[in-house]
Amino acid sequence: AQTVTQSQPEMSVQEAETVTLSCTYDTSESDYYLFWYKQPPSRQMILVIRQEAYKQQNATENRFSVNFQKAAKSFSLKISDSQLGDAAMYFCAYRTSRSSNTGKLIFGQGTTLQVKP
Amino acid sequence: SAVISQKPSRDICQRGTSLTIQCQVDSQVTMMFWYRQQPGQSLTLIATANQGSEATYESGFVIDKFPISRPNLTFSTLTVSNMSPEDSSIYLCSARRQGFYNEQFFGPGTRLTVL
Repeated sequence: AQTVTQSQPEMSVQEAETVTLSCTYDTSESDYYLFWYKQPPSRQMILVIRQEAYKQQNATENRFSVNFQKAAKSFSLKISDSQLGDAAMYFCAYRTSRSSNTGKLIFGQGTTLQVKP
Repeated sequence: SAVISQKPSRDICQRGTSLTIQCQVDSQVTMMFWYRQQPGQSLTLIATANQGSEATYESGFVIDKFPISRPNLTFSTLTVSNMSPEDSSIYLCSARRQGFYNEQFFGPGTRLTVL
């Protein structure tokens, strides 16, 4: 069974600085999706960034980028120029793409990010 | 993107009663899911709501306790039956459709407190 592990329950960063959130996963599959979701205090889950496992290039969305290391099964999220609005709980998630219509999202434990002004 | 709304947004219920949570998506979706989340913790999948057939439940969740309906491609309900304080949690509806990298969207959640 696939598992997702976020080993940092809490992280903090100074506004305008850069922070990296860690995520590792375990799977025997070669084709899958990885995601980072953000959940602010409002509870609304927001997709931050996605990565298809077959793509070697790391995904980037504005200030958010990932470091995808397939062999190491690592998928970290880097937030550059951190803003107060980035404060939230961040979840790493895995989904198999073999059955992309029925595959379930498997979530990590989450990392609470605090942004200090 | 898809916009998901849930009703109610929060409720306080008495032990032994039942609550039905509604989930409405603004467009047709392939799949709908129900999650439970304790504040500050991760999401646990309760079941996949199947249109026109019985829901598929995850280990530890049963239909008698969490009956689910999905009458069409945009609407689903989750009922929490015979509630106890242990059912106090946030319940999230989620949906996914084909295309758009199969992105999965989430509703704002329903905060349930059982006294």
